[in-house]
Amino acid sequence: KQEVTQIPAALSVPEGENLVLNCSFTDSAIYNLQWFRQDPGKGLTSLLLIQSSQREQTSGRLNASLDKSSGRSTLYIAASQPGDSATYLCAVKNNFNKFYFGSGTKLNVKP
Amino acid sequence: DTAVSQTPKYLVTQMGNDKSIKCEQNLGHDTMYWYKQDSKKFLKIMFSYNNKELIINETVPNRFSPKSPDKAHLNLHINSLELGDSAVYFCASSPSSRRKPRAEAFFGQGTRLTVV
Repeated sequence: KQEVTQIPAALSVPEGENLVLNCSFTDSAIYNLQWFRQDPGKGLTSLLLIQSSQREQTSGRLNASLDKSSGRSTLYIAASQPGDSATYLCAVKNNFNKFYFGSGTKLNVKP
Repeated sequence: DTAVSQTPKYLVTQMGNDKSIKCEQNLGHDTMYWYKQDSKKFLKIMFSYNNKELIINETVPNRFSPKSPDKAHLNLHINSLELGDSAVYFCASSPSSRRKPRAEAFFGQGTRLTVV
């Protein structure tokens, strides 16, 4: 059974820092991996999607990498801003349309 | 236009009641999901439907019954609500992997259910 782990569980950084969020998964037979952002009391917003054949995806200040063989993905946030404060969730999709989520990293960017 | 919409956004009800949460997507996706997010923010899949057919049914009490009248809708009905059912329930949709390689998932805003 697929298990997804995210570390750290919480992260507090001053504004302007570059930071890395980690996601690991136990079964490398994934179809894709998706990073989401969740604001308090809100739904999930898709940030980046990486297909299993891809190594990385970039969108603005965000860069996500995928190393399928080692079961790892990282989300890199450059020049963090207070508006980046949220919980970041990693989800892997298997070949049977099922998504498995990590428990998230709660990020606080201090002004 | 909201891609995946859930109603209601908040639901407070007493133990023992029966309630429904509705979900609609206008993305033309053929797969829809229900997830439960517990107090520790962990998202766990409950059900998945593909073209109105149940394809994933995780270990949830049979008091929870999904219904998909058509491809664009997946409603969740809960009988005899219990205190432990309090959580945020998220609906999601995606194209099936076979039909669209990208198969990105989109989520609704969630329904915060509180059972008192």
